[in-house]
Amino acid sequence: GAVVSQHPSWVICKSGTSVKIECRSLDFQATTMFWYRQFPKQSLMLMATSNEGSKATYEQGVEKDKFLINHASLTLSTLTVTSAHPEDSSFYICSASNRPVEAFFGQGTRLTVV
Amino acid sequence: AQTVTQSQPEMSVQEAETVTLSCTYDTSESDYYLFWYKQPPSRQMILVIRQEAYKQQNATENRFSVNFQKAAKSFSLKISDSQLGDAAMYFCAYWDQGAQKLVFGQGTRLTINP
Repeated sequence: GAVVSQHPSWVICKSGTSVKIECRSLDFQATTMFWYRQFPKQSLMLMATSNEGSKATYEQGVEKDKFLINHASLTLSTLTVTSAHPEDSSFYICSASNRPVEAFFGQGTRLTVV
Repeated sequence: AQTVTQSQPEMSVQEAETVTLSCTYDTSESDYYLFWYKQPPSRQMILVIRQEAYKQQNATENRFSVNFQKAAKSFSLKISDSQLGDAAMYFCAYWDQGAQKLVFGQGTRLTINP
């Protein structure tokens, strides 16, 4: 299957700072990328969907100004958590797709805000 | 909205035995896709098996097979000859064609007893 690389795998940041997570499709062009959040022992919660060159579509209840998503190229999408607070600590997962019904997942990023 | 329900939060099985994980879903669509994903302790999401609703034949992948009952909107996963490496969270998912996104169930934690 296709490879999606997410970086960093884990990050610790201070409260009030911003942190950027990258999601790269290594061997295919991803027209669509998805960002999920996963709390311990829970399912994946879709945060937003981004299409290359377009503004991201956020799910209801997700603050677009807090979770900035950029999909500037067909191989890279970034999620920036702005002014992070301890409640933003979570596991963030991206997936990338170049056609409907087929999505490949990154390895995830564990964010801890202290 | 389409929903996916996994009614078994936890399951356990003896190594080498067979286990079945349940999944039901709700949709008004006639053609759709269903998936089972595995999330091991590494938290990397791994596609186990995919079923296309218009195909009556149940999908199989080596030791993994599904029992797809379209009328009952049921999509269970059978794991034969369970191995220690099968221990993971298993998520059932539905591709929402209208919203162009995956809808996940709550997950089932599978433990393999040696």
